[in-house]
Order: sequence, then C-alpha cells, then structure tokens
Amino acid sequence: KNEVEQSPQNLTAQEGEFITINCSYSVGISALHWLQQHPGGGIVSLFMLSSGKKKHGRLIATINIQEKHSSLHITASHPRDSAVYICAVGTYNTDKLIFGTGTRLQVFP
Amino acid sequence: SQTIHQWPATLVQPVGSPLSLECTVEGTSNPNLYWYRQAAGRGLQLLFYSVGIGQISSEVPQNLSASRPQDRQFILSSKKLLLSDSGFYLCAWSQGLRNQPQHFGDGTRLSIL
Repeated sequence: KNEVEQSPQNLTAQEGEFITINCSYSVGISALHWLQQHPGGGIVSLFMLSSGKKKHGRLIATINIQEKHSSLHITASHPRDSAVYICAVGTYNTDKLIFGTGTRLQVFP
Repeated sequence: SQTIHQWPATLVQPVGSPLSLECTVEGTSNPNLYWYRQAAGRGLQLLFYSVGIGQISSEVPQNLSASRPQDRQFILSSKKLLLSDSGFYLCAWSQGLRNQPQHFGDGTRLSIL
C-alpha cells in the first residue's frame, strides 16, 4: 500500500461542476502539498497546508490531521482546470516529499 | 523573484549514450535541490537531493548520478543510458527550511531508443 493514496485516479466533469479530489496518507506529516501538472508536464504548487483550510480563487484545500485526509475542491470548474492534480506529503525531519500518483481531471465544455 | 531553468525540454538518445541534464535556479541562495523522475502512468520518484554544494543524497540505486558544482546548479548525468531511463525528469528547488513549498522546472522528456 502506498503511503499517499489519491482518489479518484481519473475524473471527468462538465464545465461548471463542483470537483472534489481526495488524498489519504498513512505517515506522520509536517505539511501536505497539492500540485497541478499541466499536459505539457510542468508542475505548479497550488497549496501547502498543515491544518484547516486554504482558498485561492476557485480552489479550496482542506486537511484533517486526525483522519489523515485532505481534499482539493474546484468550484465552477472550467476546461482550463484540466490537468493532473498531485498530493504530496512532507514528513518530519526531512525536506523530501512523498507523492501520490495523481488524479487526472478532464473538464468538458 | 526566483526562477528555475531546466534544459533541454526534450531529448532523444540511443541506448548506451551519455546524458547530461542541467538545472539552474536564480534569485535565491543555498536552496535545496531535487531531481525527480516520472515514468509513464506513475507518480514522481525522488532520485537525488542536495542541501549544498557537493552534497548529494541518492534515493534509489540506478544508472544515474547527480552533481552540484555551484550553489544554484544541479546536473543529472549518466555514462551509459538504458532503455529503462526513459521518462520525464523534473528539477525542483525549495528554501533550505522546514515545510517550504517546492518549485518545479518545466521538465525534460527523455526518450531512449
């Protein structure tokens, strides 16, 4: 079993739909990261959080430390949101990240 | 502002040939530097990690090596490429402190023939 699990692996949506991507982890963490990988391969860091909730535009990330679970929400999804969303966790005493395998999102007009 | 440059963007190499991928960071000093590989359909795998000049940690045994000749330069190399070295290689940097976001380069897509 991977230390970081994401679900679903693939997700399709119609433009305007509310999207939720889930991430569960089995190790003690210092922070959780959500990353976005565009079709060309480039990766952008969306959020880094260790508690509660963060919001940036139409994106919202939440984390529940007790349940070892995080969610990434996209409100009013748009075709330009189509990408692979990757969850990664940083563990104590290290700067290295453990990555999930990603969720491929396709939003259709 | 900080920027990270990685090149080349794509590379096609024959089996047995050497490899050199370069990554440089601007606008910061003493960053942590990382090399990742992403095989088709799989997650990011950390290959090498560096906290300073000449300091390289290897995460997985493999056919590749890394060097950090200058503070903001990180090089991924191989003397003889294998078919299994094909993949998407990403360089990243972070501030040398705990719980800092990592910033990624645009990646190099390496195909071995």
